[in-house]
Amino acid sequence: DAGVIQSPRHEVTEMGQEVTLRCKPISGHNSLFWYRQTMMRGLELLIYFNNNVPIDDSGMPEDRFSAKMPNASFSTLKIQPSEPRDSAVYFCASSFPGTSGPFQETQYFGPGTRLLVL
Amino acid sequence: KQEVTQIPAALSVPEGENLVLNCSFTDSAIYNLQWFRQDPGKGLTSLLLIQSSQREQTSGRLNASLDKSSGRSTLYIAASQPGDSATYLCAVSPDSNYQLIWGAGTKLIIKP
Repeated sequence: DAGVIQSPRHEVTEMGQEVTLRCKPISGHNSLFWYRQTMMRGLELLIYFNNNVPIDDSGMPEDRFSAKMPNASFSTLKIQPSEPRDSAVYFCASSFPGTSGPFQETQYFGPGTRLLVL
Repeated sequence: KQEVTQIPAALSVPEGENLVLNCSFTDSAIYNLQWFRQDPGKGLTSLLLIQSSQREQTSGRLNASLDKSSGRSTLYIAASQPGDSATYLCAVSPDSNYQLIWGAGTKLIIKP
Protein backbone atom coordinates (compact mmCIF):
# COMPACT_ATOMS: atom_id res chain seq x y z
CA ASP A 1 0.00 0.00 0.00
CA ALA A 2 1.21 3.52 -0.75
CA GLY A 3 0.29 4.81 2.66
CA VAL A 4 -1.72 7.94 3.34
CA ILE A 5 -1.44 10.33 0.40
CA GLN A 6 -1.74 14.08 0.77
CA SER A 7 -1.71 16.81 -1.82
CA PRO A 8 -0.36 19.30 -2.38
CA ARG A 9 2.83 18.85 -0.41
CA HIS A 10 3.48 22.58 -0.33
CA GLU A 11 1.11 25.48 -0.79
CA VAL A 12 1.89 29.18 -0.80
CA THR A 13 -1.06 31.51 -1.08
CA GLU A 14 -2.07 35.02 -0.30
CA MET A 15 -4.32 36.07 2.51
CA GLY A 16 -7.97 35.83 1.58
CA GLN A 17 -7.55 33.03 -0.92
CA GLU A 18 -9.27 29.68 -0.64
CA VAL A 19 -7.07 26.70 0.14
CA THR A 20 -8.06 23.06 -0.34
CA LEU A 21 -6.00 20.24 1.08
CA ARG A 22 -6.60 16.67 -0.02
CA CYS A 23 -6.13 13.29 1.58
CA LYS A 24 -6.44 9.69 0.48
CA PRO A 25 -6.41 7.30 3.45
CA ILE A 26 -5.07 3.79 3.43
CA SER A 27 -7.54 1.37 1.87
CA GLY A 28 -9.55 -0.45 4.51
CA HIS A 29 -9.07 2.20 7.17
CA ASN A 30 -12.34 3.62 8.41
CA SER A 31 -11.12 6.45 10.65
CA LEU A 32 -9.58 9.60 9.23
CA PHE A 33 -8.02 12.45 11.16
CA TRP A 34 -6.92 15.96 10.22
CA TYR A 35 -4.18 17.53 12.35
CA ARG A 36 -2.38 20.84 12.32
CA GLN A 37 1.18 21.24 13.57
CA THR A 38 2.86 24.50 14.53
CA MET A 39 5.91 25.30 16.60
CA MET A 40 3.83 27.21 19.11
CA ARG A 41 0.97 24.78 19.63
CA GLY A 42 2.40 21.43 18.57
CA LEU A 43 -0.01 18.88 17.10
CA GLU A 44 -3.70 19.69 17.25
CA LEU A 45 -6.56 17.49 16.14
CA LEU A 46 -8.90 19.47 13.93
CA ILE A 47 -11.52 16.89 13.04
CA TYR A 48 -11.96 13.18 12.68
CA PHE A 49 -14.26 11.02 10.62
CA ASN A 50 -15.47 7.51 11.26
CA ASN A 51 -17.00 5.64 8.33
CA ASN A 52 -17.03 8.93 6.38
CA VAL A 53 -19.07 10.70 9.05
CA PRO A 54 -17.62 13.66 10.98
CA ILE A 55 -17.59 12.64 14.63
CA ASP A 56 -15.77 15.44 16.39
CA ASP A 57 -14.98 18.79 14.81
CA SER A 58 -14.42 20.66 18.06
CA GLY A 59 -10.83 21.29 17.07
CA MET A 60 -11.72 23.22 13.94
CA PRO A 61 -10.57 26.71 14.82
CA GLU A 62 -13.21 28.77 13.06
CA ASP A 63 -15.97 28.72 10.51
CA ARG A 64 -13.35 29.46 7.89
CA PHE A 65 -12.33 25.80 8.18
CA SER A 66 -14.44 23.01 6.76
CA ALA A 67 -13.80 19.33 6.05
CA LYS A 68 -15.58 16.73 4.00
CA MET A 69 -15.27 13.04 3.35
CA PRO A 70 -17.52 12.17 0.41
CA ASN A 71 -16.32 8.57 0.31
CA ALA A 72 -14.00 6.15 2.07
CA SER A 73 -11.03 7.03 -0.11
CA PHE A 74 -11.03 10.81 -0.13
CA SER A 75 -11.22 13.76 2.22
CA THR A 76 -10.69 17.49 1.89
CA LEU A 77 -9.88 20.26 4.33
CA LYS A 78 -10.80 23.71 3.09
CA ILE A 79 -9.82 27.10 4.46
CA GLN A 80 -11.78 30.05 3.14
CA PRO A 81 -10.64 32.78 3.45
CA SER A 82 -7.11 31.93 4.49
CA GLU A 83 -5.14 34.06 6.94
CA PRO A 84 -1.43 34.24 7.79
CA ARG A 85 -2.06 32.56 11.16
CA ASP A 86 -3.25 29.48 9.30
CA SER A 87 0.33 28.85 8.20
CA ALA A 88 1.24 25.41 9.50
CA VAL A 89 1.79 21.83 8.45
CA TYR A 90 -1.48 19.97 8.01
CA PHE A 91 -1.44 16.21 8.44
CA CYS A 92 -3.98 13.62 7.53
CA ALA A 93 -3.93 10.25 9.31
CA SER A 94 -6.01 7.10 9.10
CA SER A 95 -6.48 4.00 11.20
CA PHE A 96 -8.01 0.53 11.05
CA PRO A 97 -11.38 -0.15 12.57
CA GLY A 98 -11.03 -0.61 16.30
CA THR A 99 -13.28 -2.79 18.37
CA SER A 100 -13.60 -0.12 21.02
CA GLY A 101 -13.06 3.25 19.45
CA PRO A 102 -11.20 5.23 16.77
CA PHE A 103 -8.28 6.08 19.04
CA GLN A 104 -7.68 2.48 20.01
CA GLU A 105 -5.61 1.72 16.95
CA THR A 106 -2.35 3.00 15.53
CA GLN A 107 -2.70 6.06 13.34
CA TYR A 108 -0.84 6.19 10.04
CA PHE A 109 0.17 9.68 9.00
CA GLY A 110 0.58 11.20 5.59
CA PRO A 111 3.61 13.36 4.71
CA GLY A 112 1.71 16.55 5.40
CA THR A 113 0.94 19.73 3.50
CA ARG A 114 3.10 22.70 4.39
CA LEU A 115 0.90 25.77 4.06
CA LEU A 116 2.21 29.32 3.98
CA VAL A 117 -0.27 32.17 3.84
CA LEU A 118 1.30 35.50 2.99
CA LYS B 1 -6.95 17.70 32.46
CA GLN B 2 -4.40 15.33 31.00
CA GLU B 3 -1.04 16.85 30.16
CA VAL B 4 1.89 15.13 28.50
CA THR B 5 5.45 16.30 29.00
CA GLN B 6 8.64 15.23 27.31
CA ILE B 7 11.97 16.18 28.80
CA PRO B 8 14.50 17.02 27.50
CA ALA B 9 13.34 18.93 24.45
CA ALA B 10 16.57 18.01 22.70
CA LEU B 11 19.25 15.39 23.16
CA SER B 12 22.55 14.78 21.40
CA VAL B 13 24.54 11.57 21.92
CA PRO B 14 27.39 9.77 20.16
CA GLU B 15 26.62 6.89 17.88
CA GLY B 16 26.48 3.50 19.55
CA GLU B 17 25.18 4.67 22.90
CA ASN B 18 22.05 3.30 24.49
CA LEU B 19 19.64 6.05 25.41
CA VAL B 20 16.31 6.69 27.09
CA LEU B 21 13.64 9.19 26.16
CA ASN B 22 11.10 10.18 28.76
CA CYS B 23 7.40 10.90 28.65
CA SER B 24 5.29 11.82 31.65
CA PHE B 25 1.55 12.28 31.97
CA THR B 26 -0.52 13.78 34.74
CA ASP B 27 -3.52 11.45 34.83
CA SER B 28 -2.87 7.72 35.21
CA ALA B 29 -6.28 6.82 33.75
CA ILE B 30 -5.15 6.20 30.21
CA TYR B 31 -6.32 3.82 27.51
CA ASN B 32 -3.06 3.54 25.64
CA LEU B 33 0.21 5.35 24.99
CA GLN B 34 1.96 5.61 21.68
CA TRP B 35 5.44 6.61 20.60
CA PHE B 36 5.93 8.24 17.21
CA ARG B 37 8.91 9.33 15.21
CA GLN B 38 8.94 12.42 13.00
CA ASP B 39 11.65 13.09 10.47
CA PRO B 40 12.17 16.68 9.24
CA GLY B 41 9.64 17.64 6.62
CA LYS B 42 7.81 14.35 6.93
CA GLY B 43 4.84 12.86 8.67
CA LEU B 44 4.77 10.88 11.87
CA THR B 45 5.53 7.19 11.99
CA SER B 46 4.11 5.07 14.77
CA LEU B 47 6.83 3.14 16.58
CA LEU B 48 5.10 1.41 19.47
CA LEU B 49 1.66 1.31 21.02
CA ILE B 50 1.24 0.18 24.61
CA GLN B 51 -2.19 -0.67 25.92
CA SER B 52 -2.95 0.35 29.49
CA SER B 53 -2.82 -3.29 30.58
CA GLN B 54 0.69 -3.76 29.21
CA ARG B 55 4.01 -2.90 30.81
CA GLU B 56 6.18 -2.76 27.73
CA GLN B 57 6.44 -3.27 24.00
CA THR B 58 9.49 -4.07 21.90
CA SER B 59 10.33 -3.56 18.26
CA GLY B 60 13.86 -4.25 17.12
CA ARG B 61 16.21 -1.93 19.00
CA LEU B 62 13.31 -0.06 20.58
CA ASN B 63 11.68 -0.85 23.86
CA ALA B 64 8.90 1.20 25.38
CA SER B 65 7.79 0.82 28.96
CA LEU B 66 4.70 2.07 30.73
CA ASP B 67 4.22 2.77 34.43
CA LYS B 68 0.72 4.15 34.86
CA SER B 69 0.99 4.57 38.60
CA SER B 70 3.88 6.95 38.27
CA GLY B 71 2.59 8.52 35.08
CA ARG B 72 5.68 7.66 33.09
CA SER B 73 6.75 5.99 29.90
CA THR B 74 10.25 5.55 28.56
CA LEU B 75 11.51 4.76 25.09
CA TYR B 76 14.78 2.89 25.17
CA ILE B 77 16.92 2.90 22.03
CA ALA B 78 19.75 0.41 21.97
CA ALA B 79 22.98 0.90 20.03
CA SER B 80 21.92 4.24 18.56
CA GLN B 81 22.65 5.03 14.92
CA PRO B 82 22.74 8.31 12.97
CA GLY B 83 19.56 7.15 11.24
CA ASP B 84 17.78 7.32 14.58
CA SER B 85 18.08 11.10 14.49
CA ALA B 86 14.55 12.49 14.51
CA THR B 87 11.96 14.00 16.82
CA TYR B 88 10.23 11.47 19.04
CA LEU B 89 6.73 12.20 20.29
CA CYS B 90 4.60 10.36 22.77
CA ALA B 91 0.84 10.57 22.85
CA VAL B 92 -1.68 9.39 25.40
CA SER B 93 -5.26 8.37 24.76
CA PRO B 94 -7.41 8.91 27.84
CA ASP B 95 -10.12 6.81 26.27
CA SER B 96 -10.59 4.83 23.08
CA ASN B 97 -13.13 7.39 22.00
CA TYR B 98 -11.06 10.41 22.95
CA GLN B 99 -8.36 12.08 20.94
CA LEU B 100 -4.68 11.65 21.61
CA ILE B 101 -2.97 14.09 23.96
CA TRP B 102 0.45 14.87 22.53
CA GLY B 103 3.78 15.71 24.08
CA ALA B 104 5.92 18.38 22.46
CA GLY B 105 8.57 15.86 21.49
CA THR B 106 12.28 15.27 22.06
CA LYS B 107 14.61 16.10 19.20
CA LEU B 108 17.29 13.43 19.10
CA ILE B 109 20.59 13.85 17.30
CA ILE B 110 22.97 10.91 17.00
CA LYS B 111 26.48 12.06 16.20
CA PRO B 112 28.56 9.80 13.94
